[in-house]
Amino acid sequence: GAVVSQHPSWVICKSGTSVKIECRSLDFQATTMFWYRQFPKQSLMLMATSNEGSKATYEQGVEKDKFLINHASLTLSTLTVTSAHPEDSSFYICSANQGWLVTEAFFGQGTRLTVV
Amino acid sequence: AQTVTQSQPEMSVQEAETVTLSCTYDTSESDYYLFWYKQPPSRQMILVIRQEAYKQQNATENRFSVNFQKAAKSFSLKISDSQLGDAAMYFCAYRSRDSGYALNFGKGTSLLVTP
Repeated sequence: GAVVSQHPSWVICKSGTSVKIECRSLDFQATTMFWYRQFPKQSLMLMATSNEGSKATYEQGVEKDKFLINHASLTLSTLTVTSAHPEDSSFYICSANQGWLVTEAFFGQGTRLTVV
Repeated sequence: AQTVTQSQPEMSVQEAETVTLSCTYDTSESDYYLFWYKQPPSRQMILVIRQEAYKQQNATENRFSVNFQKAAKSFSLKISDSQLGDAAMYFCAYRSRDSGYALNFGKGTSLLVTP
């Protein structure tokens, strides 16, 4: 099956610094990738939709200047949390569509971000 | 906007027994996809089963089956012969063209399996 690799699995950073999370589709081309955030004991909330070669579409309430998303190739999307604060600590998960196939979404392993 | 509702925050089942997790959704579209995902403590999202709205037949995957009632906008998951490894969070999810094919998740049901 299609594999999505997300890196790093966990990261600790200091307040005010930036951290980049990568999401790679290893064996397929991902036309569209999605970024979700999950707080403890809560559901996954969509942050943004990322299409290769174009600007990401952010959900209401998500600061696009804080959460920079780049989808420069058909196999890589990155999420950069800029000027991180403790309240940005969360679990971030990406998923990818294989081409135009929409019957399944392929998820990365997720990244646990802790801002201290 | 589409909403997905899971009204059971927690469920418990004895090993080898059957349990049903509930999910309802709200949409004005006729073409969409429904999913059940399992999230174990590792937090990796695992697809359990999916249902295309245009298909009348309920999806089945081994011990997992759904009861899809399109008119009632209901999509419940039945787990038969429950196993200890089934213990996890279960999320019901919806996707359609209107949402750009992003997944819209319910709040989840935590399933406990007792020996």
